[in-house]
Formats: sequence, structure tokens, C-alpha cells
Amino acid sequence: SQQGEEDPQALSIQEGENATMNCSYKTSINNLQWYRQNSGRGLVHLILIRSNEREKHSGRLRVTLDTSKKSSSLLITASRAADTASYFCATDAGNSGGSNYKLTFGKGTLLTVNP
Amino acid sequence: GAVVSQHPSRVICKSGTSVKIECRSLDFQATTMFWYRQFPKQSLMLMATSNEGSKATYEQGVEKDKFLINHASLTLSTLTVTSAHPEDSSFYICSARLPGQGRETQYFGPGTRLLVL
Repeated sequence: SQQGEEDPQALSIQEGENATMNCSYKTSINNLQWYRQNSGRGLVHLILIRSNEREKHSGRLRVTLDTSKKSSSLLITASRAADTASYFCATDAGNSGGSNYKLTFGKGTLLTVNP
Repeated sequence: GAVVSQHPSRVICKSGTSVKIECRSLDFQATTMFWYRQFPKQSLMLMATSNEGSKATYEQGVEKDKFLINHASLTLSTLTVTSAHPEDSSFYICSARLPGQGRETQYFGPGTRLLVL
């Protein structure tokens, strides 16, 4: 089963608006991470939130985590055309940073910010 | 810091040939690297975990004889797609994490697009 599923699958907004993407997962996790991928490129790490945290901020990014609902959201405020990309959540359910560590990625949300 | 490179960025090959993709950590030593494949508009699927000096750990359903992984040094892992077929055409991405407990972030290479004719 898919661990980490984002919704919506695609989101189109105007510059200056806020963009919210959601991620749900199925198993217990150590942490949840959000990554960004520009078309045809590798992924860039955006933010990590640990299982004992509820909210985290980084610049225009705000991430929330609700472990009771097994869900997370990524909010991008005051969006820019350069924010256009695919956004993936990834969960770490193994021995955090240890020998069985691996990330499981969701399907991603394609965000388009129109100028 | 924490830059990962991949080579080549794009490769076209004939069916039946083998293709080698390199993944290098440029400014850190990576005891563990990861290989993913990504189909168009889909998510990343972990293929295998590459461990320096030992055998790779393959995910269920990934043929280890088809996708050979060699992690011969702390800065280099290679993925060889043997006897490539058109269905192997995909975007292959490697990543690495900084060594040590609690280092959960992965640093990704730019990816290699493989097209098998």
C-alpha cells in the first residue's frame, strides 16, 4: 500500500496566493519530510518535522503534523512563479538514521503558480 | 555542502546493452546511498539501498541481477542496468545521507534519464 499520499494531485494558483498540500500515511513514523522537485530534476529537501512536533516553519513554508490522523500539510505562503514544482512528502518509519532507515515517498502534488 | 552528482544525465541505448550510472557525493562521505526510479508524473520508488563495502539491499520486486549496484568507495555508488529493455526506460535518481545516527535528510542527485530503444 502507498505510504504517503498527497492531495491534491495538482494545484494551480495565482502568484501571491497561498498553496496548501496535504499528505496522509499509514504506519507510525519517526519523522516526515517534504521535498520539492522541478521538472526532470532531482529532489531538494525543504523541511523535516519529527513525530513529536506539531508545527514547523521555514521561511514561507509551514508544515503541520497530526500523528493521530496520520496526516501532514505543507503551506506555502505568498507563492511565486518560481515555486512551480512537484512537492512530495516522505516518511521515515525505520530506525531513525540507523541501519534500516529509508524514506517512502508519496505520489506528489504538482503545483503551478501562474504569474 | 552535501552535493550529490550523477553521470550521465541522459543516456540512450539499444535493447540488450548494459548501462552504468554513477552517483557521487562530492563534499562528504556517504556510507549509504539510495537508488530510485521514477516514471513520468509518478513518485519515486526505492529500488535499493547501497552500502559501502557490502552488498546492496534490494526492495521487494527489484531484480538484483538486473540492477547491479556497487558501492566501492565512500563517495561513489554505481547502478548498472544489465541487458536493458524498453521497459527499463525511466528516470533514475540516487541520493545519499550524511553518516551518523539522526541524519535523516537525503541529498539527491540530478537524475539520469535512460531511454532504451
